[in-house]
Amino acid sequence: GDSVTQMEGPVTLSEEAFLTINCTYTATGYPSLFWYVQYPGEGLQLLLKATKADDKGSNKGFEATYRKETTSFHLEKGSVQVSDSAVYFCALNSNTGNQFYFGTGTSLTVIP
Amino acid sequence: NAGVTQTPKFRILKIGQSMTLQCTQDMNHNYMYWYRQDPGMGLKLIYYSVGAGITDKGEVPNGYNVSRSTTEDFPLRLELAAPSQTSVYFCASSQSNRGPDTQYFGPGTRLTVL
Repeated sequence: GDSVTQMEGPVTLSEEAFLTINCTYTATGYPSLFWYVQYPGEGLQLLLKATKADDKGSNKGFEATYRKETTSFHLEKGSVQVSDSAVYFCALNSNTGNQFYFGTGTSLTVIP
Repeated sequence: NAGVTQTPKFRILKIGQSMTLQCTQDMNHNYMYWYRQDPGMGLKLIYYSVGAGITDKGEVPNGYNVSRSTTEDFPLRLELAAPSQTSVYFCASSQSNRGPDTQYFGPGTRLTVL
């Protein structure tokens, strides 16, 4: 079945460090891919998305490229800030069913 | 435009008690979902609905019931609360379930069963 595998955390970085959070997926067909962010005490909110191979989603300095050949959608940011501290979830919608599939989440803490 | 709202924000139940978690969306979305999030874990789908009067089970439906009498509301019912149901519950909605559509999440309900 469809699934998402996400890099385990927690991840701790110093401010202005480079961030990569790995995400790979298994799906039939051509899924849409998402990154959601959950700030402490809040619900999930969409960070970025990509709908087809080689698409790059970007928002707030974060980027992820849909790589069909490696079935990956890694999240990157060139210079993290303390305010980026949150839990990040990779997700997919398979376009063939009624469900979204979420990874287990990666907790990021950015220290000054 | 409030988006997805959930009540209550927090609740403590005793084993065997029942309660209903409320969820309302004002975006006229057809699809609504209930997830639970256990500490350090990802989201598990409990139930979902593709429109008023239509619901279906997700990955972890046991111990829960849902109804969808209107487009806006999608309450989740716990009939006999058990400690294993201690979790944070999120309601979400989307316009469609296919393609690049985004899910919009409520702020969550933190439930503790003692």
